Amino acid sequence: KAGVTQTPRYLIKTRGQQVTLSCSPISGHRSVSWYQQTPGQGLQFLFEYFSETQRNKGNFPGRFSGRQFSNSRSEMNVSTLELGDSALYLCASSVGSYNTEAFFGQGTRLTVV
Amino acid sequence: AQRVTQPEKLLSVFKGAPVELKCNYSYSGSPELFWYVQYSRQRLQLLLRHISRESIKGFTADLNKGETSFHLKKPFAQEEDSAMYYCALGYGGSQGNLIFGKGTKLSVKP
Repeated sequence: KAGVTQTPRYLIKTRGQQVTLSCSPISGHRSVSWYQQTPGQGLQFLFEYFSETQRNKGNFPGRFSGRQFSNSRSEMNVSTLELGDSALYLCASSVGSYNTEAFFGQGTRLTVV
Repeated sequence: AQRVTQPEKLLSVFKGAPVELKCNYSYSGSPELFWYVQYSRQRLQLLLRHISRESIKGFTADLNKGETSFHLKKPFAQEEDSAMYYCALGYGGSQGNLIFGKGTKLSVKP
């Protein structure tokens, strides 16, 4: 079956702009989570959506937001971009029930200049 | 606060040598612990989880609640084990919100 697909793979944006990243989960998966990966901080949890509702949220400013559609696809938005937002953004999907495996996408590399 | 610590950034061993990747966690509740692996140019993928008590690719990990550790072990390392390994803590009943350690790069030399 097709894996988790993230688009676009690479993005370059200017400070102050906003950006939207997309994630298509594995068919049948209802949970989508987002992570930010940087060399300094490593992998940090942003938020999780399950059946179109945000189920968990990490410790990130309100500039980071997301949503999930009825087909489980998810988007993540970052407004008023800062240089420090440059990172690899990973999406993971799972069935969503207890202790089910999370499958990761290849990520979107965002560079803010 | 929940935290996962992997003290070694890099671990280098020779083929056939035993491997132990260390992971310590901080969590007041009942932890769910996982090891994820990322091979070169591949996606992050689940290696094993403590609740399954399974051995994957020869790797095992035992949860020690007294020492709050979940070290990953393999008795005889192979070159194909070279990868980035992440220990992760889950809570809330799913793998939807994982706290990752900063990872250990394992290099297995021939």
